[in-house]
Amino acid sequence: SSELTQPPSVSMSPGQTARITCSGEALSKQFTFWYQKKPGQAPVLLIYKDSERPSGIPERFSGSSSGTTVTLTISGVQAEDEADYYCQSADSSGRYPVFGGGTKVTVL
Amino acid sequence: EVQLLQSGAEVKKPGESLEISCRASGYSFSTYFITWVRQMPGKGLEFMGMIYPGDSDTRYSPSFQGQVTISADKSINTAYLQWSRLKAPDTAMYYCARGGGVGESPLDSWGQGTLVTVSS
Repeated sequence: SSELTQPPSVSMSPGQTARITCSGEALSKQFTFWYQKKPGQAPVLLIYKDSERPSGIPERFSGSSSGTTVTLTISGVQAEDEADYYCQSADSSGRYPVFGGGTKVTVL
Repeated sequence: EVQLLQSGAEVKKPGESLEISCRASGYSFSTYFITWVRQMPGKGLEFMGMIYPGDSDTRYSPSFQGQVTISADKSINTAYLQWSRLKAPDTAMYYCARGGGVGESPLDSWGQGTLVTVSS
């Protein structure tokens, strides 16, 4: 299967830890990437190869992987982290990228 | 600095043709995939297709195969997304991104997006 499943929404107060999961059969064999998407802006790469952080991305963003589930963790959520977050991996053939449905993070 | 500069917003009528562009700079254009991603109003990101300018390897999502054409001109570091006959549901924001999102290669730099509106 090529589907990636994310929770539609997550809410938390500033300073709390947010964990966003992404599940899919192919995730045990393919790397996962995470993107942040704010309204009116282009997506930004947050995490690559499951847990690597590009330069310039704050340390509060981290990624982990276990079997067919990957997790994006935002430690100490800030108001500016309010956005949609998308996981992305490859399909079972490894030739085509697939996106999760996205998770809307609301900071109360 | 890697930059992807997309062409401007378009307003078209159903049945019209359209080509939008994505001009790359700051890296070797031929050695990275360019991927096109759609975001319909209020919806998520969708992979449309991608092209490797070095050898023109082009891959389409089954959802977009036959609906759009992706091409690239290495001489001017530019990728294109083309429709021959637009439909109202093609109204969306379209992004190009560097990378293929497969293997170890993320979509690591994105264009600013091109808004396409199709309305009679």
